[in-house]
Amino acid sequence: AQSVTQLDSHVSVSEGTPVLLRCNYSSSYSPSLFWYVQHPNKGLQLLLKYTSAATLVKGINGFEAEFKKSETSFHLTKPSAHMSDAAEYFCVVSALYNTDKLIFGTGTRLQVFP
Amino acid sequence: DAMVIQNPRYQVTQFGKPVTLSCSQTLNHNVMYWYQQKSSQAPKLLFHYYDKDFNNEADTPDNFQSRRPNTSFCFLDIRSPGLGDAAMYLCATSRVPGLALSTDTQYFGPGTRLTVL
Repeated sequence: AQSVTQLDSHVSVSEGTPVLLRCNYSSSYSPSLFWYVQHPNKGLQLLLKYTSAATLVKGINGFEAEFKKSETSFHLTKPSAHMSDAAEYFCVVSALYNTDKLIFGTGTRLQVFP
Repeated sequence: DAMVIQNPRYQVTQFGKPVTLSCSQTLNHNVMYWYQQKSSQAPKLLFHYYDKDFNNEADTPDNFQSRRPNTSFCFLDIRSPGLGDAAMYLCATSRVPGLALSTDTQYFGPGTRLTVL
């Protein structure tokens, strides 16, 4: 079965400092992996997606993630945090036999302090 | 702009009183999904439609039903809401099924927050 584990439920950074949100996945095949962001009382927005092309994936708003098969990781990074980045972030994997199904991690809440 | 629209954004109902949540899309996507997201939890897929083909998740309670009268609209019916059904309900669409095999993704609406009194 596929699953994702988000290693931190909360991350706090100062504005202008780097962001690292950690995600490990479990999959018996080469997965498709996503990062979604959810601002308070808003729907989910796709940040980026990995589909077995380049291992370094660039997304919107300056975010990127690197797929590391040896570490089964797909960590999300941003060089410099902005106040508007404060939100909930979900690491997501698609299911093997039902590829319409997205399997969500439990989320990481990012706080950005001035 | 093309988008996924959910109405209402906030819905209050009484214990046991049927309620319907609405989702519409202007993306002309084939697939529409309903998710339940309880407070501080990840979204959980309830069911999805591929065109008119309904696909229910195995652990979705019978209390939850869905209708898709046309490509643009999809409804979530909760026949007898309980206190445990209070949650954010998210509608999403995708152009094609098989997300893992394509460059496509799911597009989410803003959600409807359901309160059960």
